Amino acid sequence: AQRVTQPEKLLSVFKGAPVELKCNYSYSGSPELFWYVQYSRQRLQLLLRHISRESIKGFTADLNKGETSFHLKKPFAQEEDSAMYYCALSFRGSTLGRLYFGRGTQLTVWP
Amino acid sequence: GAVVSQHPSRVICKSGTSVKIECRSLDFQATTMFWYRQFPKQSLMLMATSNEGSKATYEQGVEKDKFLINHASLTLSTLTVTSAHPEDSSFYICSARGGDTGELFFGEGSRLTVL
Repeated sequence: AQRVTQPEKLLSVFKGAPVELKCNYSYSGSPELFWYVQYSRQRLQLLLRHISRESIKGFTADLNKGETSFHLKKPFAQEEDSAMYYCALSFRGSTLGRLYFGRGTQLTVWP
Repeated sequence: GAVVSQHPSRVICKSGTSVKIECRSLDFQATTMFWYRQFPKQSLMLMATSNEGSKATYEQGVEKDKFLINHASLTLSTLTVTSAHPEDSSFYICSARGGDTGELFFGEGSRLTVL
């Protein structure tokens, strides 16, 4: 069953424009949500997690349990934000690190 | 940050042979590692949880006899694709938890091509 949905495979914006990468999940319990990023020719790395409520590199994401969403947002996109972004879910109480990923969204920020 | 290394990064083999992929945590100990599979332009699919000193836990639909996982030490997990066939061709990625925060660190991935 598809647990994490990222509806956009590709997303392009111009530098300085706001960007939102969508993520919806299906899970009846209490999930833990993450955003991972993969820059060109680099390995996957953690961007942020919902329990931290942090802003990393200007990105934020709020868990909306009513809409079962965890959209990633940045008010002013930069060229260096161009990368593949994956939303991931972990079941609270399961082995920490057991993640289920969405298919990813390729973000391109044009100059 | 912590580093997870995979070897080989690329491997090509003939159909019917077995291939071993290693995943090492270079500067930390990892009692738990995870193996993922990624098809072209698709998501990472969790295959199994590798537990040091015990049997791996496989996700539903993953053949444990096909994908043998061994986690014999705190820094090494291996994935062996047995009797590989062209449909096993894929990008295999491992991850391990490390550091004070228990953050998940990913390897660079291993691309398997079965001819």
